[in-house]
Amino acid sequence: DTAVSQTPKYLVTQMGNDKSIKCEQNLGHDTMYWYKQDSKKFLKIMFSYNNKELIINETVPNRFSPKSPDKAHLNLHINSLELGDSAVYFCASSLSPLAAPSGQFFGPGTRLTVL
Amino acid sequence: AQTVTQSQPEMSVQEAETVTLSCTYDTSESDYYLFWYKQPPSRQMILVIRQEAYKQQNATENRFSVNFQKAAKSFSLKISDSQLGDAAMYFCAYRRNSNYQLIWGAGTKLIIKP
Repeated sequence: DTAVSQTPKYLVTQMGNDKSIKCEQNLGHDTMYWYKQDSKKFLKIMFSYNNKELIINETVPNRFSPKSPDKAHLNLHINSLELGDSAVYFCASSLSPLAAPSGQFFGPGTRLTVL
Repeated sequence: AQTVTQSQPEMSVQEAETVTLSCTYDTSESDYYLFWYKQPPSRQMILVIRQEAYKQQNATENRFSVNFQKAAKSFSLKISDSQLGDAAMYFCAYRRNSNYQLIWGAGTKLIIKP
């Protein structure tokens, strides 16, 4: 059974397009995250939601917009894609840190290539 | 601000031998958690081991163990009897208690020589 799933796993698109990545977790977690991993493997937190409420909103271009329809889903929409957006995007989830000292569980990643 | 430093960009070890990956962190907090994650070529991020700062005993998961030195702010990962499947990027991460955000190190690439 998949714990944290992302779709699609690969996304190749042209500059200027708008695209979305979807994430779902079936772990019953309260908190979900989006990370960007660049070509040097550095992980950068972008957003986090706890029970559909935005709690982390790092400095990212406003072309990136997260949406959490319920606590099991966190989608990422990107407008006007640029070459520099090419990266691997990871979704993750965890129990609320207020409840338990759990680690974060990651999805398989979405490799985004902007041409 | 908290920071996590992994000073070894790359390490290599002979299969079946033991290797230690280093991680240091900077914090003024006393209550926090530390994690090691593994990212094999499949790119899946896998939680390897975690340590609660209030516990003096070092965490162990099968062949993986940590050496947690709270005063020195050091959290190294020891892999015993290295296997080819251990080849991956290893990331150290820190989280303050009751805080949502993980602070990540830059990663160490581990190469296993057959």
